[in-house]
Amino acid sequence: KAGVTQTPRYLIKTRGQQVTLSCSPISGHRSVSWYQQTPGQGLQFLFEYFSETQRNKGNFPGRFSGRQFSNSRSEMNVSTLELGDSALYLCASSLDRLAENNEQFFGPGTRLTVL
Amino acid sequence: AQSVTQLGSHVSVSEGALVLLRCNYSSSVPPYLFWYVQYPNQGLQLLLKYTTGATLVKGINGFEAEFKKSETSFHLTKPSAHMSDAAEYFCAVRGTNAGKSTFGDGTTLTVKP
Repeated sequence: KAGVTQTPRYLIKTRGQQVTLSCSPISGHRSVSWYQQTPGQGLQFLFEYFSETQRNKGNFPGRFSGRQFSNSRSEMNVSTLELGDSALYLCASSLDRLAENNEQFFGPGTRLTVL
Repeated sequence: AQSVTQLGSHVSVSEGALVLLRCNYSSSVPPYLFWYVQYPNQGLQLLLKYTTGATLVKGINGFEAEFKKSETSFHLTKPSAHMSDAAEYFCAVRGTNAGKSTFGDGTTLTVKP
């Protein structure tokens, strides 16, 4: 079974631009969560999608948004990029939302650099 | 609300020595606890997890952790370090909000030959 895939793996943008990152979960997984990882702030939860609905959101500005499609694939979008948005963005998928069954599998991440 | 504290941002051991990475958690509900490993330029890989049942949990690559409710701890151990264990390790807690994990700041493990 293929793992979680994220595209692109590396991205360079300039301030003010917007970016879209993609995540394909493990086949059959319906929950997708996104995390931002930076040296200063560590791993921070962005949001979670389940059955095409955002179920939970972290403490990030509205420039960060996401969506999930009917095949469970998810995208996140960051508008009006700032230097501080440079980070590794990790996607994690899990089978469902019940905690006992909810082992999260992480993708390799997308490394975003904002110049 | 849940939180995790990892004691020691850097741990250095000799090859063959005991590895002990410390994690303390805070949770208002029965926690689900996890240890992940991250190698450079890669995502997170699950080492082991505690959900319910046995408090001593065995994971991959010879790692294990013990859930101690009285101490609110979930320390990660390995009897004998290998060079390939050098990586960053994250402890995470998840409550009933199943889609969100709260991570510690991470501990970088260095293994000396």
